[in-house]
Amino acid sequence: DAKTTQPNSMESNEEEPVHLPCNHSTISGTDYIHWYRQLPSQGPEYVIHGLTSNVNNRMASLAIAEDRKSSTLILHRATLRDAAVYYCILRDDNQGGKLIFGQGTELSVKP
Amino acid sequence: DTAVSQTPKYLVTQMGNDKSIKCEQNLGHDTMYWYKQDSKKFLKIMFSYNNKELIINETVPNRFSPKSPDKAHLNLHINSLELGDSAVYFCASSIGPTSGGYEQYFGPGTRLTVT
Repeated sequence: DAKTTQPNSMESNEEEPVHLPCNHSTISGTDYIHWYRQLPSQGPEYVIHGLTSNVNNRMASLAIAEDRKSSTLILHRATLRDAAVYYCILRDDNQGGKLIFGQGTELSVKP
Repeated sequence: DTAVSQTPKYLVTQMGNDKSIKCEQNLGHDTMYWYKQDSKKFLKIMFSYNNKELIINETVPNRFSPKSPDKAHLNLHINSLELGDSAVYFCASSIGPTSGGYEQYFGPGTRLTVT
């Protein structure tokens, strides 16, 4: 079972920031927080990951709560190409590195 | 160059047939995975191999048999196909099984339709 909880869907306007929340209240000390997205008719694509500190990369930023029980994926300027299902996943090294996907958040971007 | 490739992209077959899906990665990774995405878009891990050894085997019917001839390849053979096997199958790879700090790279998927 997925150990994360996300809203089923969110809407955004093009060129505005988007904050995608994720709750993971049962996170353990060895769990990394990963975000992937799946564009229509494509395979999942890695977005970002973190352990304790906030992270930035060219695609997005990841803000991790101090108690690590929640995190937020931030897309700084949404584009139409960012419309996808976004998955927040806890990756546990003790489980062979497998990703346990939940239902994700379907993000739609309006022009 | 495609990092993780799968063949075929589409596969349409009849119930009872046996089919194979192939996956190759050119990233030099040690670990490869098979995931299944059903009609409700739910993605679920099936198998994982690390350096040609099976390390994850979720509750998958025995009709599904993965094979890894070398660490760059992970194939999935399915015997006696059933209607419920219709899904999109994704291959993925990562540096290693205990590499939570590293991402997985996914292939484009193979859409299997059983009629």
